[in-house]
Amino acid sequence: NAGVTQTPKFRILKIGQSMTLQCAQDMNHNYMYWYRQDPGMGLKLIYYSVGAGITDKGEVPNGYNVSRSTTEDFPLRLELAAPSQTSVYFCASGAVVGEKLFFGSGTQLSVL
Amino acid sequence: DAKTTQPNSMESNEEEPVHLPCNHSTISGTDYIHWYRQLPSQGPEYVIHGLTSNVNNRMASLAIAEDRKSSTLILHRATLRDAAVYYCILRDTSGGSNYKLTFGKGTLLTVNP
Repeated sequence: NAGVTQTPKFRILKIGQSMTLQCAQDMNHNYMYWYRQDPGMGLKLIYYSVGAGITDKGEVPNGYNVSRSTTEDFPLRLELAAPSQTSVYFCASGAVVGEKLFFGSGTQLSVL
Repeated sequence: DAKTTQPNSMESNEEEPVHLPCNHSTISGTDYIHWYRQLPSQGPEYVIHGLTSNVNNRMASLAIAEDRKSSTLILHRATLRDAAVYYCILRDTSGGSNYKLTFGKGTLLTVNP
């Protein structure tokens, strides 16, 4: 069981570039989440999904897009990268509402 | 949103018990109390959760006040590997959505050898 897998682990982008952060889980979880963590801060929810085809905004969705075409995958898209999006991004999944989440190891993104 | 308040930092000695407090005075009747921890350069890791009764697992114990306005995470014997940021989180049910987990800044636990 791989759990929650995030790729890439590190990435440097130039301002205005686009990229997709990949997240996959092999636990057949319905609920998936994207968080960002700025240095020295807690995690902030970007987007979440309660099942394939269903997504919703979290606290800080501006500048990001998501899709959920399958139960396993929940990619996060940055269309026009900005320095303010420099952060560590974590993907998480969970089986049942209110139960524990499993987190990936994160993607460290720098926008220069 | 139901909020939690935790001390910014705490210090403990190795092999001693640690009590990490969390206040959540606006908790609603159906909010679960979750605890996660984040070791340096890693993603958060589930520790424990509960609703009303005290809970125990292999990692820790969770003591919930009778009025549910506060809770305490108990590490029975701290080790150096327990040094991490500990987050106390309520399942967010605002706006009819009960799927979110909102993280605060947490408590940075330092364990001294």
